[in-house]
Amino acid sequence: DAMVIQNPRYQVTQFGKPVTLSCSQTLNHNVMYWYQQKSSQAPKLLFHYYDKDFNNEADTPDNFQSRRPNTSFCFLDIRSPGLGDAAMYLCATSSGGQDSSYEQYFGPGTRLTVT
Amino acid sequence: GQNIDQPTEMTATEGAIVQINCTYQTSGFNGLFWYQQHAGEAPTFLSYNVLDGLEEKGRFSSFLSRSKGYSYLLLKELQMKDSASYLCAPVKEDSWGKLQFGAGTQVVVTP
Repeated sequence: DAMVIQNPRYQVTQFGKPVTLSCSQTLNHNVMYWYQQKSSQAPKLLFHYYDKDFNNEADTPDNFQSRRPNTSFCFLDIRSPGLGDAAMYLCATSSGGQDSSYEQYFGPGTRLTVT
Repeated sequence: GQNIDQPTEMTATEGAIVQINCTYQTSGFNGLFWYQQHAGEAPTFLSYNVLDGLEEKGRFSSFLSRSKGYSYLLLKELQMKDSASYLCAPVKEDSWGKLQFGAGTQVVVTP
């Protein structure tokens, strides 16, 4: 009964080679988030969607893009990965307060290695 | 913006109690979450406080003082499996639940 699913769990890509990470949810939540987390650091929000409305954080590099084709799926595209982009990428969902809950449900994460 | 301050690391022995403090400054506030994160895993929900006071849930309790911009997470009867990072995360008002995570407090439980 997995609720937030991320594929793949581990991804290795080459420097400069585009890569796409995927996230799907069975919770029918309005909001989907992408976080980047490096070792021993807090998760850093990259962007989020409220339905189809895209919200980019001011300090998210242009190298990172996202797509949300429908309620269930959201993708993170890294156009030209650099060595500094190696990290755990976490997808999360929430109802955005619609049911009086702001709890975010996290997927298991995708660990990206850049060679 | 939101500035969040919590200790980097705390060590305690099995069976003991540990209190993790978190102070925050925010331009809009709609409650505060505590999440637990084991190494290499995703954060998992522990508690959510929106009103002042103490919320108790088994061995874990969380306290909030909105006027002081202060929260703490209390872990009682520590077990080895409680060794993890604990993340304080205020919710920004009118942001559809956008969280700003603190850097996390690494709790090390020793035998």
